[in-house]
Amino acid sequence: SQTIHQWPATLVQPVGSPLSLECTVEGTSNPNLYWYRQAAGRGLQLLFYSVGIGQISSEVPQNLSASRPQDRQFILSSKKLLLSDSGFYLCGGAGLDEQFFGPGTRLTVL
Amino acid sequence: GNSVTQMEGPVTLSEEAFLTINCTYTATGYPSLFWYVQYPGEGLQLLLKATKADDKGSNKGFEATYRKETTSFHLEKGSVQVSDSAVYFCALSKPGGYNKLIFGAGTRLAVHP
Repeated sequence: SQTIHQWPATLVQPVGSPLSLECTVEGTSNPNLYWYRQAAGRGLQLLFYSVGIGQISSEVPQNLSASRPQDRQFILSSKKLLLSDSGFYLCGGAGLDEQFFGPGTRLTVL
Repeated sequence: GNSVTQMEGPVTLSEEAFLTINCTYTATGYPSLFWYVQYPGEGLQLLLKATKADDKGSNKGFEATYRKETTSFHLEKGSVQVSDSAVYFCALSKPGGYNKLIFGAGTRLAVHP
């Protein structure tokens, strides 16, 4: 079955520090991969999606970037975190069927 | 643009009560509609889906009917259990849109014995 591993579960970072969140996928090849974020009181918003290695599409302008160095690896990064980057980050994948998700990372920027 | 609106929570019910969580959407064309559930400490799981008008998705006693005339996809369950306590997300995706999902804000359900 398809599984997404995502870590860490929670993270507290100071403003201006870098960020790297990683997710890895098992059980499927060449999936579409996605990063979503849920800010406080808001819905899950799509940040980036990728249809293959090295292919990244950004949905909203922001302080973050994404990379896909391997077929089953998707990384979310920032060089300098802002307070507004706080939220719940969710990695998703889609093979032939509907999307499946990792457990998420709750990021607090102080 | 495309969007999903869910009723705000939290929703608090007693065990065996009837549940309705409202969801309406705005979209061009014919989106697919989904309900996802997030149990405490776990990731999002697909609960049910419907891909065309008048389809009814069902799973674990939950149901939702794709109503194009009212652009709605309300989630219902006849008798909730404590184990149904979770956050429920309504979502849509567009055909040919790389399976990208547009989510509602989520509704937290708390069921008490």
